[in-house]
Amino acid sequence: GESVGLHLPTLSVQEGDNSIINCAYSNSASDYFIWYKQESGKGPQFIIDIRSNMDKRQGQRVTVLLNKTVKHLSLQIAATQPGDSAVYFCAEKGNTPLVFGKGTRLSVIA
Amino acid sequence: KAGVTQTPRYLIKTRGQQVTLSCSPISGHRSVSWYQQTPGQGLQFLFEYFSETQRNKGNFPGRFSGRQFSNSRSEMNVSTLELGDSALYLCASSLALTGVNEQFFGPGTRLTVL
Repeated sequence: GESVGLHLPTLSVQEGDNSIINCAYSNSASDYFIWYKQESGKGPQFIIDIRSNMDKRQGQRVTVLLNKTVKHLSLQIAATQPGDSAVYFCAEKGNTPLVFGKGTRLSVIA
Repeated sequence: KAGVTQTPRYLIKTRGQQVTLSCSPISGHRSVSWYQQTPGQGLQFLFEYFSETQRNKGNFPGRFSGRQFSNSRSEMNVSTLELGDSALYLCASSLALTGVNEQFFGPGTRLTVL
């Protein structure tokens, strides 16, 4: 079946540095992509989304980049803070319900 | 505005038993989706309900079922529990059918099958 995301890697960054989390998707029919943040003991929390007619979207300290040519999605977090430590999931939607990647664990080193 | 609530938060069952989990969506939200989250498989879609009707179903056996009530509250049921059903079960609500509407997740129900 369709799959999204990479195996669950861990990304460690120094507080104040920028973080880049990557995601690959396989369904070329997907037209809507979302990044979620999940902290321990909580459900996923919406961060930012992007539709396939865009290649970049910015939020508060976060930017999502979409490269449809190589079916790649990335989340950039500026000036990473300890509160950003969590597991980050990308999700895609096209002609199917949301499909989630396995996630990336972000650890912020103070 | 209250968020998505799920009850119970933690549950321990034994193999062969059945379990019912409950989800109350955000007020005004009519779509409820259920997901299973495990370390090995990640977040997997179970089913989605809208206006008391199942609109989409994931690739899970018939032991997994659900329903939605007229007040949009939803329940999911797992019968004949297996060890592999141990997981975090997440419920998410949105204003309408997913796709262009942001989904809001509850804290989940942690199910342990012994």
